[in-house]
Amino acid sequence: DAKTTQPTSMDCAEGRAANLPCNHSTISGNEYVYWYRQIHSQGPQYIIHGLKNNETNEMASLIITEDRKSSTLILPHATLRDTAVYYCIVRAYSSASKIIFGSGTRLSIRP
Amino acid sequence: DTAVSQTPKYLVTQMGNDKSIKCEQNLGHDTMYWYKQDSKKFLKIMFSYNNKELIINETVPNRFSPKSPDKAHLNLHINSLELGDSAVYFCASSQSGTSGRNEQFFGPGTRLTVL
Repeated sequence: DAKTTQPTSMDCAEGRAANLPCNHSTISGNEYVYWYRQIHSQGPQYIIHGLKNNETNEMASLIITEDRKSSTLILPHATLRDTAVYYCIVRAYSSASKIIFGSGTRLSIRP
Repeated sequence: DTAVSQTPKYLVTQMGNDKSIKCEQNLGHDTMYWYKQDSKKFLKIMFSYNNKELIINETVPNRFSPKSPDKAHLNLHINSLELGDSAVYFCASSQSGTSGRNEQFFGPGTRLTVL
């Protein structure tokens, strides 16, 4: 079972910041928070990951609470192409560790 | 210069047939995976190979047999296809080790329909 819970769906206006929350209250000390997204009918795409510090890359920012029990993915300026299902995943930092996908958040960007 | 490719993209077949899906990655990765996404859109890992050795084998019927002829390829053979096998199958690859993002790169998927 997935170790994360996310809202089923969200929407955001184009050009605004999209903030996607994720709860992972049972996260272990050696587990990272990863975010992937799946645009309709395509394979999932890596977005960002972090352990305990906030992270930023060219796609998004990841804010992890100090107790690491929740996190927020921020898309700073959402576009229509950001419409997708966003998956929050916790996993150990090893290629042998499985990615267990939950049901994710379906993000709709409105013009 | 596709990173992870799968063939075929669509596969329609009759119950009871045997079929194969091929996956190739040109990223130089040493680990490859197969995932199944059913009609309810849940993505579940099926198998993982590292350097041609099976390292993850979820509870999957033994009608499904992965084969890795080399590090760049992981094929999925399915015997005696059943209606419930209808799904989208995704191949993925990653590089093991403690450096880098350890992300998985996914292929475009193969939509299998069993009639």
